[in-house]
Amino acid sequence: DADVTQTPRNRITKTGKRIMLECSQTKGHDRMYWYRQDPGLGLRLIYYSFDVKDINKGEISDGYSVSRQAQAKFSLSLESAIPNQTALYFCATSAPRGTANEQFFGPGTRLTVL
Amino acid sequence: TQLLEQSPQFLSIQEGENLTVYCNSSSVFSSLQWYRQEPGEGPVLLVTVVTGGEVKKLKRLTFQFGDARKDSSLHITAAQPGDTGLYLCAGTSNDYKLSFGAGTTVTVRA
Repeated sequence: DADVTQTPRNRITKTGKRIMLECSQTKGHDRMYWYRQDPGLGLRLIYYSFDVKDINKGEISDGYSVSRQAQAKFSLSLESAIPNQTALYFCATSAPRGTANEQFFGPGTRLTVL
Repeated sequence: TQLLEQSPQFLSIQEGENLTVYCNSSSVFSSLQWYRQEPGEGPVLLVTVVTGGEVKKLKRLTFQFGDARKDSSLHITAAQPGDTGLYLCAGTSNDYKLSFGAGTTVTVRA
């Protein structure tokens, strides 16, 4: 079984709809992250959480919100989806070893907003 | 503006040739990682380099961290079709967040 899972894997929705992407992990890591990936832009951080009671904005948090329901679960919501939120979304976890912050990614969700 | 600049953006070579991908920044990082991503999957960690001047080898892949900890390179010897993928570098800053480069798409033709 995969250590980091994401649901759904693909989603097509319409402008204005509320969407939730879910992430679960069995790695036992405290730190979880949400990124989006766009062609030519690499991965950009949306939100991150260092433990259940900690939520932090990343570089592109506008239009998104998150919830850390448990150590193993971190969900991302788009309150009112817009077409420029069409992208690949990745959840990741990490358990910092020294200064490395090595991350483990889920398989991604391909979101299309029409 | 990308904190980490990768070059080239695309690289297409014949099986058996060598290739080098570069990752440059004006910022100093406490560590730098390389990931490989295949279509339909998330990035997978290849290596972490921590010490300035460090060189790590992973079979036919050689990773180097610059002396000033601002840049890194990935060299693949005798590339194979299985090396095809998107290679991403990522630097860890003092607040423990990762900053990613835009990636280099490598295609190895059989």
